[in-house]
Amino acid sequence: DAKTTQPPSMDCAEGRAANLPCNHSTISGNEYVYWYRQIHSQGPQYIIHGLKNNETNEMASLIITEDRKSSTLILPHATLRDTAVYYCIVRVAGSARQLTFGSGTQLTVLP
Amino acid sequence: SQTIHQWPATLVQPVGSPLSLECTVEGTSNPNLYWYRQAAGRGLQLLFYSVGIGQISSEVPQNLSASRPQDRQFILSSKKLLLSDSGFYLCASTVPGRPNYGYTFGSGTRLTVV
Repeated sequence: DAKTTQPPSMDCAEGRAANLPCNHSTISGNEYVYWYRQIHSQGPQYIIHGLKNNETNEMASLIITEDRKSSTLILPHATLRDTAVYYCIVRVAGSARQLTFGSGTQLTVLP
Repeated sequence: SQTIHQWPATLVQPVGSPLSLECTVEGTSNPNLYWYRQAAGRGLQLLFYSVGIGQISSEVPQNLSASRPQDRQFILSSKKLLLSDSGFYLCASTVPGRPNYGYTFGSGTRLTVV
């Protein structure tokens, strides 16, 4: 699976959009981009995933660049409960191979 | 959708004692199953994964072992715990061939070896 690079930490004001970047310059054509988040002492929670097109669900939006070498997770109206570590992962869908979780981005939403 | 049951939630064990953590999956058949460990402030480290009953792949050499006696049951064990085995253990599953099914994680077991 391709390696990803994320900033170690970010702050965001409550109610504002949180934009979390991820670089995955070695991504292969059949690898999806997945985003998870982990609130302290809980299991990671799936947020969203995508292959080429931008995606949106009730939690977030995922913007993938045309060359697929980077992506941005957008939380449109961040709340204090969105404070968590956010992981960007790329992998072949359905593969049994391990997910490689890096250190992620610690997002802190400030009141 | 998948649901993972993992227990216990917390565990304090003395050095040298045995360990058995259990994970069961609901809502899918033939899942791929994974055990991850997370040290404090660190990312997730894959320990074992399994694509079927009795099939275990080990990613990191250690004094832990895993078994899959049933399709939706995954067990992490140790004969003698070390202090370095302390951490947050997570069971996860994926559905083979289903791109819309990313990883589903259990709620984790926090193990403290004393």
